[in-house]
Amino acid sequence: GESVGLHLPTLSVQEGDNSIINCAYSNSASDYFIWYKQESGKGPQFIIDIRSNMDKRQGQRVTVLLNKTVKHLSLQIAATQPGDSAVYFCAENHGGSEKLVFGKGMKLTVNP
Amino acid sequence: NAGVMQNPRHLVRRRGQEARLRCSPMKGHSHVYWYRQLPEEGLKFMVYLQKENIIDESGMPKERFSAEFPKEGPSILRIQQVVRGDSAAYFCASSPQKGSVEAFFGQGTRLTVV
Repeated sequence: GESVGLHLPTLSVQEGDNSIINCAYSNSASDYFIWYKQESGKGPQFIIDIRSNMDKRQGQRVTVLLNKTVKHLSLQIAATQPGDSAVYFCAENHGGSEKLVFGKGMKLTVNP
Repeated sequence: NAGVMQNPRHLVRRRGQEARLRCSPMKGHSHVYWYRQLPEEGLKFMVYLQKENIIDESGMPKERFSAEFPKEGPSILRIQQVVRGDSAAYFCASSPQKGSVEAFFGQGTRLTVV
């Protein structure tokens, strides 16, 4: 069946450090992978996405890496700030379906 | 340019009552998705609708749950005869065209069944 999971449930970092959040997926037919940030009491906020024909994509302070060989996705946040504190979800979408399959989430805490 | 609007933000219902959750998509968006989030869990897909049509309801429980997206007005997620297990956050997302990767999420409705 489909499943998307995260390796670490919590991550605590110091302000200014780089953060890496990992995600494993099992559906090799997925076309898109997306990272969302969810702050307490709010809805998921799109961070960055990557297509299955890419292995790296960069945004502002964030980089997503996709390793299809081992079905692994990661989100790297550079110079982590207190405002980055949130729960991060990876999600996948595959052709023929409009639904997103979300992982369980990982809480990132940034200490000042 | 308002985002996806969901109301109410918080809803308390007694067991056996009905819950009606509303979602107004972003202006110009005709595709709506509903997701449910249990505490400490990721979001679970429930249903995908376009104006006046249910496209994919594979994540909807077979009983008590229904959704609609009429030609005019917001999308409605309706839960009849609520039970404690229905307590969760319900999120709506909208997109301008087919392809949920461009979907924007609302702030959610937190349903508590007492």
